[in-house]
Amino acid sequence: DTGVSQNPRHKITKRGQNVTFRCDPISEHNRLYWYRQTLGQGPEFLTYFQNEAQLEKSRLLSDRFSAERPKGSFSTLEIQRTEQGDSAMYLCASSSSETQYFGPGTRLLVL
Amino acid sequence: EDQVTQSPEALRLQEGESSSLNCSYTVSGLRGLFWYRQDPGKGPEFLFTLYSAGEEKEKERLKATLTKKESFLHITAPKPEDSATYLCAVRGAYDYKLSFGAGTTVTVRA
Repeated sequence: DTGVSQNPRHKITKRGQNVTFRCDPISEHNRLYWYRQTLGQGPEFLTYFQNEAQLEKSRLLSDRFSAERPKGSFSTLEIQRTEQGDSAMYLCASSSSETQYFGPGTRLLVL
Repeated sequence: EDQVTQSPEALRLQEGESSSLNCSYTVSGLRGLFWYRQDPGKGPEFLFTLYSAGEEKEKERLKATLTKKESFLHITAPKPEDSATYLCAVRGAYDYKLSFGAGTTVTVRA
């Protein structure tokens, strides 16, 4: 399967801890996106990379959130000092044209 | 700011009972309208991209149509395996992000 992959699939952490998620996009895709989805809502945009450059960040992305895409390949999303409000599904997508293809997501629960 | 509103929030259908889902949108320069299917606990699965008013696309029992203000997803003779949440999203002219609606959850009973 050459789709978008995300790890871990599930993460439970205590409030105040740091967590890091990884996304491996479809190999030939140069654009990579992070979204957050809470129950009953559609995904909300967080940030976007073209190759290794982070070109757009949402106002939702507080200074506790940081994302990287070294060498334009995989990407990581780190959340520092997690809060209960960070509990959500974190989705990664990639594209080479208009259509974005999503991974299975990482479900985060902050206790 | 781009806005997407989907209706109804939930739809319960009998197997074989055709219906339509609505997606109303406002966007600065539509670059694409997208439909995705999402099963519980999984990521959205791409269905269709529509680019301009009047365009239609079909896949099995699903057909998507687009006007200047809204899109419809028609489900013809649905089966229980069509049960899912259907998400609509738009991309505007000035950025690459997708703006999603809250989705319509479809349940098809045998």
